[in-house]
Amino acid sequence: QVQLQESGPGLVKPSETLSLTCNVSGYSISSGYYWAWMRQPPGKGLEWIATIYHYGSTYYNPSLQSRVTISLDTPNNQFSLRVTSVTAADTAVYYCARDRRDYYYMDVWGKGTMVSVSS
Amino acid sequence: QSVLTQPPSVSGAPGQRVTISCTGISSKIGAGYDVHWYQQFPGTAPKVLIYGNNNRPSGVPDRFSGSKSGTSASLAISGLQAEDEADYYCQSYDRTLSAYVFGTGTKVTVL
Repeated sequence: QVQLQESGPGLVKPSETLSLTCNVSGYSISSGYYWAWMRQPPGKGLEWIATIYHYGSTYYNPSLQSRVTISLDTPNNQFSLRVTSVTAADTAVYYCARDRRDYYYMDVWGKGTMVSVSS
Repeated sequence: QSVLTQPPSVSGAPGQRVTISCTGISSKIGAGYDVHWYQQFPGTAPKVLIYGNNNRPSGVPDRFSGSKSGTSASLAISGLQAEDEADYYCQSYDRTLSAYVFGTGTKVTVL
């Protein structure tokens, strides 16, 4: 049974870079599937950020593409997200998930990690 | 940014049937992409309720059903129960943006 667990800094200062990691257990990410990041600002809805295929192909939300990078760390069975030049608008719960591109939806989600941007 | 529109809230008494609509422009729902539904309780991650318009993952009660027609979709909850009180989000894919899109979210309240 595949499980995902996010980890992050909790608090980031404005203009700095946010780095998040998603640890995958129960499945080797190098074997297949797509892997994604979403976020949800407090009290608001969900937003897709980016997806990466196990071969390395990447897909980004056009509204965030200039500031985000998704990458794989297959030896550690993890994938990561970097968000540069963060502002208060990047304050959110960040979720990682398995992206099912056969149906175009996320079937397994991590529990999420809260990131606040504040000086 | 949410580009699929849902009613902010719906409510019903226990045992009643409620429906949640999800409408979007033709490049998404009307372009042949499936609609999916997630249930989210406060402080927890979303959970897949319906995928591929009308398919329930294992463990989801058959009280939940989905449908899609043209440029809109809907989620129905029959026999509403107190434990169904949660936020519900629809989701599809925008061919124009090459991006996943979520609905604005609907809070279901059991009276």
